[in-house]
Amino acid sequence: QLVLTQSPSASASLGASVKLTCTLSSGHSTYSIAWHQQQPERGPRYLMNLNSDGSHWKGDGIPDRFSGSSSGAERYLTISSLQSEDEADYYCQTWGAGIQGVFGGGTKLTVL
Amino acid sequence: EVQLVESGGGLVKPGESLRLSCAASGFTFSGYSVNWVRQAPGKGLEWVSSIDPSTTYIFYADSVKGRFAISRDNAKNSLYLQMDSLRAEDTAVYYCARLSGSGDFYYFDHWGQGALVTVSS
Repeated sequence: QLVLTQSPSASASLGASVKLTCTLSSGHSTYSIAWHQQQPERGPRYLMNLNSDGSHWKGDGIPDRFSGSSSGAERYLTISSLQSEDEADYYCQTWGAGIQGVFGGGTKLTVL
Repeated sequence: EVQLVESGGGLVKPGESLRLSCAASGFTFSGYSVNWVRQAPGKGLEWVSSIDPSTTYIFYADSVKGRFAISRDNAKNSLYLQMDSLRAEDTAVYYCARLSGSGDFYYFDHWGQGALVTVSS
């Protein structure tokens, strides 16, 4: 069964870096994912696609502070030089034949 | 600029119906699959339904299958979600989302601002 697992919460200080993790279920380690950001009281915003080899491409207007990487079944979103507006929920998403859209449970990022 | 604007949300009683609309602009609507994704209060994102440009391929989450119907009107650049036999657990913000990608991987590259549906007696 295709499942994406995310830690419920993360925190980091203003100006620091943080690395969020999305883990693909067993048997799905080669899947690509997308990262989405949802700021409080707003709709989601597409950030980037991320492949199993770590190659990624970002949506229009996404700052260079956002980057992606991969290792095995794990997909990472790294945000550097954290700003207050980065405080948001972050969701990973993939697609499965017959299952269609699959989302991780989301990680709530707090900027201290 | 790609824009997706949902409308039609509101308060309904259990068992009643509601129809959501999504008006698209800024891109060739007839060239993309579009989806509905929902988010219950305080919860994460849940995929609901998908429709391809020609309406040949339509899919639903098990939680709404048989009760919801997705449709589109390419001439009007609009997406719809007919929701029947609504339940309390359908209470959520419903987002319209454009689907991009190919092969085995698809992703939502543009989202609307959402429409709130509340099902309560």
